[in-house]
Parts: sequence; structure tokens; C-alpha cells
Amino acid sequence: DTGVSQNPRHKITKRGQNVTFRCDPISEHNRLYWYRQTLGQGPEFLTYFQNEAQLEKSRLLSDRFSAERPKGSFSTLEIQRTEQGDSAMYLCASSSPPVDEQFFGPGTRLTVL
Amino acid sequence: GENVEQHPSTLSVQEGDSAVIKCTYSDSASNYFPWYKQELGKGPQLIIDIRSNVGEKKDQRIAVTLNKTAKHFSLHITETQPEDSAVYFCAASKGRDYKLSFGAGTTVTVRA
Repeated sequence: DTGVSQNPRHKITKRGQNVTFRCDPISEHNRLYWYRQTLGQGPEFLTYFQNEAQLEKSRLLSDRFSAERPKGSFSTLEIQRTEQGDSAMYLCASSSPPVDEQFFGPGTRLTVL
Repeated sequence: GENVEQHPSTLSVQEGDSAVIKCTYSDSASNYFPWYKQELGKGPQLIIDIRSNVGEKKDQRIAVTLNKTAKHFSLHITETQPEDSAVYFCAASKGRDYKLSFGAGTTVTVRA
């Protein structure tokens, strides 16, 4: 499978715990994006990387959230001290010139109890 | 920031009929307008997109129109089929590789 992959697909955690999600983009895609989607809404932009550089972070990304892409390949999104409001689908997408289309992964569904 | 509004939120059509979804955007700097289809348990998939230098684009049964002056764009699906049932999202961006601002989505149901 050469698409964007995300792990885990589902995560249930208790409030206050830390969670980490992983995204593996399409091979050699230099841009990687994180979005968050709550029930009945469209995805909301969180942050994006070009190679290993984090170029922009949304105001939605509080200081409890951190994202990394250490070698310009896979990326991790960590949420510290989870809150019930963090419950959502976390989507990852990747793109690369010249096509530049953003290809989305299947998402990680987070439930905070 | 960019604000994208999408209507209707739900749409039920008879198989073979047409479906139309409309979106408006607020940022005049936006110049790229993709449409995504999302099926249950999957991530959004790009189905068609349009850039601001084009007024209309068609791909088989789907077409998009863009009115930059009025800041609105629409998705048209003709001869709908059951497999068209899904949630459709419009989005706007300042470029294809830039962050996307999505509408709230339209749940399309095609009745057999």
C-alpha cells in the first residue's frame, strides 16, 4: 500500500493521559499536514511541515500539542494531558510537487474518557 | 482567516437525478478550491478541484463552477448513483500545497 498510513487507527484514553499518533506519508512527499475533524464538521488545519521544518501552526494547536517530523519522513503528533474536548479524528495528509494534491490518510480516532 | 460556508448540510436525491452543493468563502486571496469525498471510516479523497483562473471544470459526471466576484463555488453531480452516497466537503486555499480551509460538509444520500 503506497498511500498515507496512520497508527493507531483508534485510541481510547483517560483524561490527563498523554497520547502519540504516527503518520507515514507517501514516499518522498516533502509536505505533511495534520488536521483535526470533529463529528459533523470538516477537517481543521493544525500544522504542516516541509521536510523536517514545521512551517505553520494553527491557533488550535495549544501548548499541549506538539508535532515533529525529525527526518523529514514520518511525523508524530503528541497530545499531553488530554481533555475530553480533544476527542476527534486526527487526519494526516501529504503532498509533493509538481502535483501538490493533498492525499489524506484514514485518520486516528481519539476518544478521551 | 478563511471562512468557508457550505450548503445544504444534507441532500437526498433519487438515483439518476442531479445533486448540487454550494460553498462561499471569505478570503479574496484564496485561489484554489478542491472538493473532497469522505466515506465512512476513510480519510477525505480529492474528487475535483478548480483554480481561480478557471470558471468551470468538468470530469465525467462531476463539474465545478467558480464565481470569484461573488466568492462562491459549486459542485454538480449528474446521473447520481448509489456509490455517490458520502459526505462531500468543499475547501479553499491560497495554493494547492497550502493549508486547506474546509466547509462543514454535505451528507449526500442517493435513493435507489
